[in-house]
Amino acid sequence: EAGVTQSPTHLIKTRGQQATLRCSPISGHTSVYWYQQALGLGLQFLLWYDEGEERNRGNFPPRFSGRQFPNYSSELNVNALELEDSALYLCASSFAENTEAFFGQGTRLTVV
Amino acid sequence: GENVEQHPSTLSVQEGDSAVIKCTYSDSASNYFPWYKQELGKGPQLIIDIRSNVGEKKDQRIAVTLNKTAKHFSLHITETQPEDSAVYFCAASKWRKLQFGAGTQVVVTP
Repeated sequence: EAGVTQSPTHLIKTRGQQATLRCSPISGHTSVYWYQQALGLGLQFLLWYDEGEERNRGNFPPRFSGRQFPNYSSELNVNALELEDSALYLCASSFAENTEAFFGQGTRLTVV
Repeated sequence: GENVEQHPSTLSVQEGDSAVIKCTYSDSASNYFPWYKQELGKGPQLIIDIRSNVGEKKDQRIAVTLNKTAKHFSLHITETQPEDSAVYFCAASKWRKLQFGAGTQVVVTP
């Protein structure tokens, strides 16, 4: 069974541009979570999608947004990129409340 | 909101010794506590978890204990091996939002 897959693995953008990151959850999982992991820092909660709807978001500005598609895959969009947005963006999926969340390998976003 | 503190930030152990990582959480309504291991260049991997109705759980060389009254939980790794070297994160969850600790860099020296 395939795990959580994220694309692309690496992304380089210039300041002010937009970035789009994609995530495919484990088959059968309906929830997708996005986390930001800046270099040397822990995991900061960004967004949670379930059944196509945004259920919760972390302390991030509105230029971080996303959506979940009918097949439960998800997209994270970051507008007006800033240098400090450079980080590893991790996606995780789970199928019910308080069940195991499994992470993908992440997308390394570099803003220059 | 939930706040999770994790100690120590770095832990160096000799191969074969035990390693213990401790976490405290602030929200008494949190009811799910997973632990993740993250190796360099990879995403976090779930290694063990515990729910609030259980005090202890073991899986081979790793174990987790939970003290709901004190609001702390710990990860114990016995007979450490070089492949246990990684960053370990604890987390606490309420309403499916995982709040992570800052991580512990574990180095196992042969």
